[in-house]
Amino acid sequence: QVQLQQSGTELVKPASSVKISCKASGYTFTSNYMHWIRQQPGNGLEWIGWIYPGNGNTKYNQKFDGKATLTADKSSSTAYMQLSSLTSEDSAVYFCARDEFGVQAYWGQGTLVTVSS
Amino acid sequence: DIQMTQSPASLSASLGETVTIECLASEDIYSNLAWYQQKPGKSPQLLIYYANSLNDGVPSRFSGSGSGTQYSLKINSLQSEDVSIYFCQQNYDSPYTFGAGTKLELK
Repeated sequence: QVQLQQSGTELVKPASSVKISCKASGYTFTSNYMHWIRQQPGNGLEWIGWIYPGNGNTKYNQKFDGKATLTADKSSSTAYMQLSSLTSEDSAVYFCARDEFGVQAYWGQGTLVTVSS
Repeated sequence: DIQMTQSPASLSASLGETVTIECLASEDIYSNLAWYQQKPGKSPQLLIYYANSLNDGVPSRFSGSGSGTQYSLKINSLQSEDVSIYFCQQNYDSPYTFGAGTKLELK
């Protein structure tokens, strides 16, 4: 069965960077787009972007250009999202989600990022 | 960006009742509309894709309909486990935007 296992909670300082991982199993990692989605406390969902692990192609929500960088390691079936120049506004739960039917059909458990000095 | 306006923001209903949640897109999204259910502290789960296709394992009391800019999610015979927040999302054009969510509670 498809499983997406995300890395654990992060407490990071303002102006720093953080890299979140999403390890995929149960399917061919290179065959499906991987999306990333943000959920700020008490707020709704925002789509950050996708990566196609098969060739490394990416597409970003313009809002996250320069903030988020998506990469994928085929050898370990792991997708990554690096967030840079962190501010308190970046405190949120971040999800990876595998694409199927053009939507986010399988979700990781989420990674809480808290930005605080 | 395509704006997704979801209504109502919250909804209280009794067990066994039928509830409907609406989603209005700011432009035609050609049925590229998904519905997700999110329980407290959990990840969203896909219920419906392409406006009316039920995802595997989703109970048949859930159904989706609509076209153009107007879409709806219907839950027949409400069960206690349906208490959740429901989100719509358009996947027609990037960025793939979500509605603000509908919080469904039991009366």
